[in-house]
Amino acid sequence: GEDVEQSLFLSVREGDSSVINCTYTDSSSTYLYWYKQEPGAGLQLLTYIFSNMDMKQDQRLTVLLNKKDKHLSLRIADTQTGDSAIYFCAESNTGGFKTIFGAGTRLFVKA
Amino acid sequence: GAVVSQHPSWVICKSGTSVKIECRSLDFQATTMFWYRQFPKQSLMLMATSNEGSKATYEQGVEKDKFLINHASLTLSTLTVTSAHPEDSSFYICSARDKADTQYFGPGTRLTVL
Repeated sequence: GEDVEQSLFLSVREGDSSVINCTYTDSSSTYLYWYKQEPGAGLQLLTYIFSNMDMKQDQRLTVLLNKKDKHLSLRIADTQTGDSAIYFCAESNTGGFKTIFGAGTRLFVKA
Repeated sequence: GAVVSQHPSWVICKSGTSVKIECRSLDFQATTMFWYRQFPKQSLMLMATSNEGSKATYEQGVEKDKFLINHASLTLSTLTVTSAHPEDSSFYICSARDKADTQYFGPGTRLTVL
């Protein structure tokens, strides 16, 4: 079945860039999402990208999609301590109803 | 790896009826389970946090009498949508957190209320 995989941990220093990677298996994926979850809170949608796009930039966030390799990445520029959270990669196919999530990458930002 | 299942995966019901959705952690114990609701192409909305053996904590704006949550054991939580109406049609996703604080998501349940 469909699967989404992420590394579980990432540690960076404040001010550095963070790159969180994700791979997926469903070749019919239409939307790919990045969610952020802070302690005790629900998931917050950070950004999403359509499968016909290679890149999307939104302020400090850059999403890169390599559809051939089914690889998605989220780059956070000038990472701040407030960016410490769990980041979930997710994909869904046309219709957008069924969404498959990765296990989440826990980002630690050291001051 | 850890697996979370949901049952049913898809349900269609008549307006006014109640629907129960089960969420199970298959190979680990989950003291905490979360229930989310998702509209197409939109962010997940956290509905409630369910702790085993205690009452669920509902998010603001979620009617606890309409969305009944029971976390009867360390591997099972249920969400019952009472007196369902067409506006309750949505995709409901549960997740379970293990002792290492890792969260695993279920495949979701698509509810259609006619």
